[in-house]
Amino acid sequence: ETGVTQSPTHLIKTRGQQVTLRCSSQSGHNTVSWYQQALGQGPQFIFQYYREEENGRGNFPPRFSGLQFPNYSSELNVNALELDDSALYLCASRPNPGVYNEQFFGPGTRLTVL
Amino acid sequence: TQLLEQSPQFLSIQEGENLTVYCNSSSVFSSLQWYRQEPGEGPVLLVTVVTGGEVKKLKRLTFQFGDARKDSSLHITAAQPGDTGLYLCAGVNAGGTSYGKLTFGQGTILTVHP
Repeated sequence: ETGVTQSPTHLIKTRGQQVTLRCSSQSGHNTVSWYQQALGQGPQFIFQYYREEENGRGNFPPRFSGLQFPNYSSELNVNALELDDSALYLCASRPNPGVYNEQFFGPGTRLTVL
Repeated sequence: TQLLEQSPQFLSIQEGENLTVYCNSSSVFSSLQWYRQEPGEGPVLLVTVVTGGEVKKLKRLTFQFGDARKDSSLHITAAQPGDTGLYLCAGVNAGGTSYGKLTFGQGTILTVHP
């Protein structure tokens, strides 16, 4: 069973640019969540996708957007990058949105904005 | 806004010592989870506690959920260098538009010296 994978591993961008991060969910998992983890902090919820629809969002501006594809993989897009967007971006998947299901996290993408 | 306060933020101890990490909130969560995260990896679930007053044991780790389901603690007995890592508590939402959302504490960085 393949776990959650994310790409790229590391990324360096400059302020104002746009970035797309990718996540492949664990086999059989239809629910994907994205989290932002700043250095020295716990992860913060960005949004959640279930069956290709966003069904939950945290306190992030609209320049953070996402997609989920029919195979349940997902993308996180960030426009007009700011220095504070530098963080580890984590993707987590689970079999369905059920609240007691374990969420399996990928290794993350480390984004640096200069 | 739901917040989880985790303490202490840093813990540096010698092998064989005992320690406790605390996680407190003003909000009630449907359940509370504890994760461990190592550098370059995503968080890995250690335990989920659901019922107020619940106690769960995982080898040398003991997890407790407060009676009011607002606070939790993680106790490690006879810590070993392999326990070194970032420990995160996370409250699980069971209502509204953020169903299944995890609200994380800021984490406790544990270092166990041989």
